[in-house]
Amino acid sequence: EAGVVQSPRYKIIEKKQPVAFWCNPISGHNTLYWYLQNLGQGPELLIRYENEEAVDDSQLPKDRFSAERLKGVDSTLKIQPAELGDSAVYLCASSRYPENIQYFGAGTRLSVL
Amino acid sequence: AQSVTQLGSHVSVSEGALVLLRCNYSSSVPPYLFWYVQYPNQGLQLLLKYTSAATLVKGINGFEAEFKKSETSFHLTKPSAHMSDAAEYFCAVSDGAGNGGYNKLIFGAGTRLAVHP
Repeated sequence: EAGVVQSPRYKIIEKKQPVAFWCNPISGHNTLYWYLQNLGQGPELLIRYENEEAVDDSQLPKDRFSAERLKGVDSTLKIQPAELGDSAVYLCASSRYPENIQYFGAGTRLSVL
Repeated sequence: AQSVTQLGSHVSVSEGALVLLRCNYSSSVPPYLFWYVQYPNQGLQLLLKYTSAATLVKGINGFEAEFKKSETSFHLTKPSAHMSDAAEYFCAVSDGAGNGGYNKLIFGAGTRLAVHP
């Protein structure tokens, strides 16, 4: 069984540019999470989807961040425009009921110059 | 609100020595508790979880953790460290689960474990 797949693995952009990250969850996992991990810290939830519905986006900075999961499978997280402080690792995870274990992808490391 | 405190951002042990990584949590409801491991340039991998069953939880790679409600702790231990255990370890708490998965995980800041010969 393939794990959670994220792309790209690394992204370097200049500030004010847009950037997008893609996540393909484990097959059959209806819940998808996006986390932000700053250097030296634990991950922090940005948004959680159950199927195509965002059920918790309270930590998503909506002025510049957006996310979608149109068909309830893969998901895209976008930042527009990027700021220097957005440099971090963006992790995607997925889970399914009743196991409820979150499986994480390898992440996308974003560097904003 | 829930929170997790991991005591010691860096822990160093000798190969073969006991590993003890400390985690204390704060939760107003019975918590679900987790330990994850992160190897360099990789995502997080679940080591073990506590979900109100047995208080001593055994996980992968010889790790185990004990839930102590009176101490609000969930420390991670391994009797004998291997070089391959060198990684970052995260303790996390959740306040419950819905039909699709646990509610958001609140992670600690992590503890980097170094194992030297």
